[in-house]
Order: sequence, then C-alpha cells, then structure tokens
Amino acid sequence: AQTVTQSQPEMSVQEAETVTLSCTYDTSESDYYLFWYKQPPSRQMILVIRQEAYKQQNATENRFSVNFQKAAKSFSLKISDSQLGDAAMYFCAYRSEYDMRFGAGTRLTVKP
Amino acid sequence: DAGVIQSPRHEVTEMGQEVTLRCKPISGHNSLFWYRQTMMRGLELLIYFNNNVPIDDSGMPEDRFSAKMPNASFSTLKIQPSEPRDSAVYFCASTWSSYNEQFFGPGTRLTVL
Repeated sequence: AQTVTQSQPEMSVQEAETVTLSCTYDTSESDYYLFWYKQPPSRQMILVIRQEAYKQQNATENRFSVNFQKAAKSFSLKISDSQLGDAAMYFCAYRSEYDMRFGAGTRLTVKP
Repeated sequence: DAGVIQSPRHEVTEMGQEVTLRCKPISGHNSLFWYRQTMMRGLELLIYFNNNVPIDDSGMPEDRFSAKMPNASFSTLKIQPSEPRDSAVYFCASTWSSYNEQFFGPGTRLTVL
C-alpha cells in the first residue's frame, strides 16, 4: 500500500521568512499526482498546490513552490514570505487512479 | 458554484443511535470520497465512488458503517449503531477525474456520547 510520511509534526516560522515542509511517499506506480492541502482552524481543506509525477518541472503558485524529487520520492513544500494567514495544518497527499492517501500533517505556526 | 455541501455540520447523538451524514458533490464531478479525521488517526479514506459505484471501501472500519450513492448528486454515510469512538470530523470530497484535486466539503463534526 502506498504511504505518505510527513516527519515534522510541527513547524514554526517568522513572518516574512521562508519555511519548508517535508513529505516522502512510497509507491510502485509510475503515474500519480501529489498535492499539498492546507487546513486552517476553520477545518476547511484547501488545495495549495499540485504536481504531476510525469512533469519534471516543479510546480509553483505565487509564494508556494514544491521541490519534487521523483527518484527519492520526496515532495517538499516551500512557503516564501510567510504570512500570518499561512498558519494551519498542511497535508501532503498522494493520488493514483485507485488510491488516495494523506500524510499525518504538519502544524505550521507563523510568529509575528 | 456552491461547492461540496455536507449536512449536518454538527451532530451530537447518544451511543447506539443511528447517524446519517449527507453529501452533495459539485455538479459534474464523477468521483466522491468519504474521509474521517481524528487527532489519533489523522485523515482516513473510508470509501470512494466513481460514477456512483463504490470502488474501494477497504477503509470502512466495521459493518456498522455503510455508504450509498443513489445518484450523481447525493451520497450518505450511515453509522448504525454509533459508538463513542466514532466521534470525529467526517469529510466528503468530490472530483471530476482520477487525478485531479479533490474539493472538500466543510465537514460534519460528529460527537457520540
């Protein structure tokens, strides 16, 4: 079974600084997608960024970018210029045709 | 677009009672997922449907849990009888293809006393 591991239960960052959240996954499939979701205190799950496994180029969305290392099965999220509104739980997710798995989450605190 | 709609938003019930959670996916989406989120176990996939057909229900914890999707615009997750350990937030999510991101509903917070 595919597993998704987030080794950092909690992280903190100073406002305006950069932080990187780690994620590794295990799969034997070649075709899959990876996602980062954000869950603020409202508990609404919000998509932050997605990465297609067949694409070598790392995805970016404004202040959010990923470092996708397919061979290493690593998918980290970098948040630049951190803002107070970035404080939330962040979940890494793996999606293949018949499977969907989430990591345990990383709680990000942003210090003013 | 109203997004994924879940009802009720909060449910408090007593042990042994039947609980039914409801979900309306985004129109046009053909896949629907039910998740359970707890502090101890994180976010768990319970079951997912593709074109109203259950594809994988291996995450359903016990026979007390059942899910249906009678049509493309409605799904239910039923727990009968409910137990205190079923207390959690239950999310429904939908998507329009196997590989696209899922859109989550606001969740139902279930408390079983």
